[in-house]
Amino acid sequence: QKEVEQNSGPLSVPEGAIASLNCTYSDRVSQSFFWYRQYSGKSPELIMSIYSNGDKEDGRFTAQLNKASQYVSLLIRDSQPSDSATYLCAAGRWVGGFKTIFGAGTRLFVKA
Amino acid sequence: DTGVSQDPRHKITKRGQNVTFRCDPISEHNRLYWYRQTLGQGPEFLTYFQNEAQLEKSRLLSDRFSAERPKGSFSTLEIQRTEQGDSAMYLCASSLAGLTTDTQYFGPGTRLTVL
Repeated sequence: QKEVEQNSGPLSVPEGAIASLNCTYSDRVSQSFFWYRQYSGKSPELIMSIYSNGDKEDGRFTAQLNKASQYVSLLIRDSQPSDSATYLCAAGRWVGGFKTIFGAGTRLFVKA
Repeated sequence: DTGVSQDPRHKITKRGQNVTFRCDPISEHNRLYWYRQTLGQGPEFLTYFQNEAQLEKSRLLSDRFSAERPKGSFSTLEIQRTEQGDSAMYLCASSLAGLTTDTQYFGPGTRLTVL
């Protein structure tokens, strides 16, 4: 079992729709969770971080965390073609030093 | 500025050659990470520094790999006797570490191709 699991996709949504990206993690001591966007051939770009159970909103993005279910999600409202990218989920924990584990990413296509 | 910068952006080398990559973190970020990413995978942790101290190394980091951060600022990653399996994107990230959080910002990466 991978420590951070994501559906590889691709997830295809029409422009203007809500895209829902999901992630599960196996290590219960994980404390911090991150969503990164990565365009093809580019490096990951931080979208959001979340540390507490519940929802966190930033513009068109909402991150949701449920530690009991070990589940993190990212909702993208009013999806745009420019949102087409791979979305990486990451879980961080302090184990004698901070360690961040990344999932393999979910590819999102937003159709115009 | 000021984001994380990496040099070179692309490197093509022949098997058996040594290569060295440089990373300049965001100013005043005390933590610096190296990752390797291959196609279709997320970044895999290689090593990280807190200031100039190298605190952790992944088992992925064979003895052909070495990293330094001599003055707690820029870092170098050297790969000796490169192999075709070393071909990947090498990513550097930096953070201003808190007690329980560590938000990392990535550089543009160095794409290594070993022929």
